[in-house]
Formats: sequence, C-alpha cells, structure tokens
Amino acid sequence: DQQVKQNSPSLSVQEGRISILNCDYTNSMFDYFLWYKKYPAEGPTFLISISSIKDKNEDGRFTVFLNKSAKHLSLHIVPSQPGDSAVYFCAASTVGSQGNLIFGKGTKLSVKP
Amino acid sequence: ETGVTQTPRHLVMGMTNKKSLKCEQHLGHNAMYWYKQSAKKPLELMFVYNFKEQTENNSVPSRFSPECPNSSHLFLHLHTLQPEDSALYLCASSQDYGGAGYTFGSGTRLTVV
Repeated sequence: DQQVKQNSPSLSVQEGRISILNCDYTNSMFDYFLWYKKYPAEGPTFLISISSIKDKNEDGRFTVFLNKSAKHLSLHIVPSQPGDSAVYFCAASTVGSQGNLIFGKGTKLSVKP
Repeated sequence: ETGVTQTPRHLVMGMTNKKSLKCEQHLGHNAMYWYKQSAKKPLELMFVYNFKEQTENNSVPSRFSPECPNSSHLFLHLHTLQPEDSALYLCASSQDYGGAGYTFGSGTRLTVV
C-alpha cells in the first residue's frame, strides 16, 4: 500500500498561471515532507521542504502547504514558467528514525508558453 | 567534481551478464542509497549504507548485490538480471541517515535484454 500518493500523473498549466501539485499521505508518523523536481536524464533535485510543525513554507515562486488533519500537502508555483516543466515528486519521512524518504509516483508538470 | 556522480549513464546487458553500477559522492555525506525508478511506480528504496555499513535491504533479490568500500563510493553489482529489472537506478547521499533531503545522482538507465 502506497504511503505517499500523487494521484495526478500529469498537469498542464499556462505560463504565468498558478500550478498546484497535490500529495496525500497515510502514515501519521511522517513529520517531514519534501518536494523534488526531476528533468529528463537527470536525477531528482531538492526543491522545498516543510516540517510538520509548520503549515506553510515559502521560497520565491514556490510555496508548500501542509494540512496535517487531512494528511495532505500541496506545492504551489506562481507564476509558472516553461522551465518549471518537469516531474515533481513528493516525499515524506520521519526525521531521526530508521525510516527513509518515501516517494510518491510523481506528477509531470507541463507549462505551456 | 562535486555532487553525486553515477556511471555509466546507460547500460544494456544480457540476462547472463555481470555488470556493476558505480556511484561516487564528493559532499562528505555519511549515508548513501540505491533507489530504483520503474515506469509508473514510485522511487523504490533498495539499499542504505550509513558510515559504510549496510543498514537496510528492502527485500531486494540477491541478483542485486551492493558494495560500499568507503563512505564516498557505492557500487551495485548485477548478475543474471531479468527484463523486468530494466529501470533507472538512482544513487543518493545525505549528510545523516534518514530524514532531511538527499542529493541524487543522474542515474543509470539499465536495459536488460
């Protein structure tokens, strides 16, 4: 059973508009969440993270929101740019435990000019 | 050179071959990981090494054999693979075991014929 779910395999957005990527998790022990971005032929690169003690973290055009009661997080990109087109992976972990990063399947974002 | 380097980038091997994937990190990290990315599946953790000691083996078939001679190098030895083992194999490292973000290599695209 998947502990981290990204139910939308793909998302298409117009340049300049907001992109919203969603992620749900089932394990209530997760307390640290990350988003990774992956271009073709490259490894995933860290984008932004959030600890469970927060409900929002912002870094430039990227904002991650965490709703612990709903076990849901989302990544907002605004304004979206064509260079943001990539696969976005949500990941979760229990910091300091024997656990490691558990990844979702990824959502492929296409930002059209 | 910095970051996490994986070689080769692409590998085609027959089911009776023996080959090895190499990963090297120049970040001074203490933990290294092998992940497998198959089409339409989440990134799957295969092996974890912390300070050169294997700490996790996620029920990986014995045809995959990891080796970590020092905290900067990680190998994945392959023998008698199956076509379903064709995937992108990603190496990652982190400062400490578990939790916060990893640095990934670009991966080795493996095709078993």
